Amino acid sequence: DGGITQSPKYLFRKEGQNVTLSCEQNLNHDAMYWYRQDPGQGLRLIYYSQIVNDFQKGDIAEGYSVSREKKESFPLTVTSAQKNPTAFYLCASRRGASGRGETQYFGPGTRLLVL
Amino acid sequence: QQQVKQSPQSLIVQKGGISIINCAYENTAFDYFPWYQQFPGKGPALLIAIRPDVSEKKEGRFTISFNKSAKQFSLHIMDSQPGDSATYFCAASGTSGSRLTFGEGTQLTVNP
Repeated sequence: DGGITQSPKYLFRKEGQNVTLSCEQNLNHDAMYWYRQDPGQGLRLIYYSQIVNDFQKGDIAEGYSVSREKKESFPLTVTSAQKNPTAFYLCASRRGASGRGETQYFGPGTRLLVL
Repeated sequence: QQQVKQSPQSLIVQKGGISIINCAYENTAFDYFPWYQQFPGKGPALLIAIRPDVSEKKEGRFTISFNKSAKQFSLHIMDSQPGDSATYFCAASGTSGSRLTFGEGTQLTVNP
């Protein structure tokens, strides 16, 4: 059963704490993405990776970090520098790293809440 | 900054009616325009997509109309059903294809 899995479904962060959100795909996709979604708003790109061991900042990268050590995994760390982390975080993947007309497929999301 | 502007922000339609959501873009290099459907607490799912070499694409009750000269595209949902109630996002990407630019989303409510 192919797809994108994100864990955990809910995550609670204490003040000053770093937390890591997991994203795994078994679609053999080259590119992976992290988006943030705030209530009633659209999707904003945090980071993306087109190839293993390489990634680029999106529009709102401050306070976040990523790694891409394996093709199937793209974890996102929300650092203590991110002052307003409460949001719904979505991971996506795309078959080709570049090229026209390839669709991004999304995981089920992780909701991050601050205690 | 590359933008995709989406309207309306919210839409209420009666069952059986037609839902219409509009998007406009600025970047003429955009050449792929997908629409996503998102239910509460779930990830967005691809609904339908179009490339600018056609003016219309239909899949079941869902139709994309594309106007290249006006740089606008729209989603039409025919015979809208309560199960269509969700948030809809338009998006666009260019020839490099690596990034999607999303509209702000439209919350559709279909009343029974």
